[in-house]
Amino acid sequence: RKEVEQDPGPFNVPEGATVAFNCTYSNSASQSFFWYRQDCRKEPKLLMSVYSSGNEDGRFTAQLNRASQYISLLIRDSKLSDSATYLCVVNGNAGGTSYGKLTFGQGTILTVHP
Amino acid sequence: DTEVTQTPKHLVMGMTNKKSLKCEQHMGHRAMYWYKQKAKKPPELMFVYSYEKLSINESVPSRFSPECPNSSLLNLHLHALQPEDSALYLCASSQGRGSADEKLFFGSGTQLSVL
Repeated sequence: RKEVEQDPGPFNVPEGATVAFNCTYSNSASQSFFWYRQDCRKEPKLLMSVYSSGNEDGRFTAQLNRASQYISLLIRDSKLSDSATYLCVVNGNAGGTSYGKLTFGQGTILTVHP
Repeated sequence: DTEVTQTPKHLVMGMTNKKSLKCEQHMGHRAMYWYKQKAKKPPELMFVYSYEKLSINESVPSRFSPECPNSSLLNLHLHALQPEDSALYLCASSQGRGSADEKLFFGSGTQLSVL
């Protein structure tokens, strides 16, 4: 089993649609969770952290369920500019150096079309 | 624009060449990282430096040699690479406090091709 697994996608949605991505992780000791987005041939950029209480940033809502080891990202009112690869990222627990060991999911490709 | 600067943006090298990738950040971060990313794959961690000391080496072959001259600079020295080493090499930095929600900021990467 992979440490971080994501919906394989790709997702092709029209502008204005709502789309949801799912992610599961295997290490129950994982400390922190993030969504990054990566445009083609660009670097990953932090989209948002994910907290157990759920958090929202504009059109983006992230949820974490520690019991099920499940993370989600919801995008409302999709824009053309949301087209990218979305990476689920988990910070594993490796003692004092845990902050360095980010594990990336395979990524889900989103294409928003007119 | 990213605050982590990587040079060069593109590099083509032969298997007998020696080259270096450079990374610089001025955010006062004390942890710096090298990641390798193959096409259509997620980034894979190679090295982590914490306070200028190597803290993680993910069993990377010795033809990749990292160096951290100071807290703002990170180099990756390349020697006798193989064609399968062709990839996007990403540098990242973080505050280095060791907190659980430590966030990484990536440079735009060096696209390396080994012929």
